Amino acid sequence: EAQVTQNPRYLITVTGKKLTVTCSQNMNHEYMSWYRQDPGLGLRQIYYSMNVEVTDKGDVPEGYKVSRKEKRNFPLILESPSPNQTSLYFCASSFTGGRTDTQYFGPGTRLTVL
Amino acid sequence: GIQVEQSPPDLILQEGANSTLRCNFSDSVNNLQWFHQNPWGQLINLFYIPSGTKQNGRLSATTVATERYSLLYISSSQTTDSGVYFCAADTGNQFYFGTGTSLTVIP
Repeated sequence: EAQVTQNPRYLITVTGKKLTVTCSQNMNHEYMSWYRQDPGLGLRQIYYSMNVEVTDKGDVPEGYKVSRKEKRNFPLILESPSPNQTSLYFCASSFTGGRTDTQYFGPGTRLTVL
Repeated sequence: GIQVEQSPPDLILQEGANSTLRCNFSDSVNNLQWFHQNPWGQLINLFYIPSGTKQNGRLSATTVATERYSLLYISSSQTTDSGVYFCAADTGNQFYFGTGTSLTVIP
């Protein structure tokens, strides 16, 4: 089954404790992206990757890191989480950004930073 | 970045009614997509529509790129249509989402 998976689905942590949210897709997509969703703000793009070893900042990259060592995986790293990073996070993938294909979204990760 | 505005922010419909959701964007875009987020949080693509009109069952969408807006039509609404509808503008590599229209369909 074609899908985007994220882990964990739910996470409660404390300020300053490094964490990684994993994202994996099995569709051989080149483009992958991370978003955060906050009430009243819609989804905002954090980072995106056009292909392996190519990553770029989105609208709200501060406090986040990403890596793209393999085509299928695109982990999101919070090295020192703060309460303002409490949010619902989505990973998405597509063949070539939005130019020729739609994005497929993972199920979301709900993160709470205390 | 591009500003994306959606209206109305909230909508309550009786089952069977029709509705039109609007998405305005502030600059030229490569593509415009519509998504539905169901009450469980799952995001599903509805339309990939840089211009013109597309139809899928009871849903259809029209994008007028020269005037920088897109419309999503829902006909004969059902309770399963409830959720939040987002439009997203693609400028090449980046995506900009609107703040969504929250739709509640009551039986």
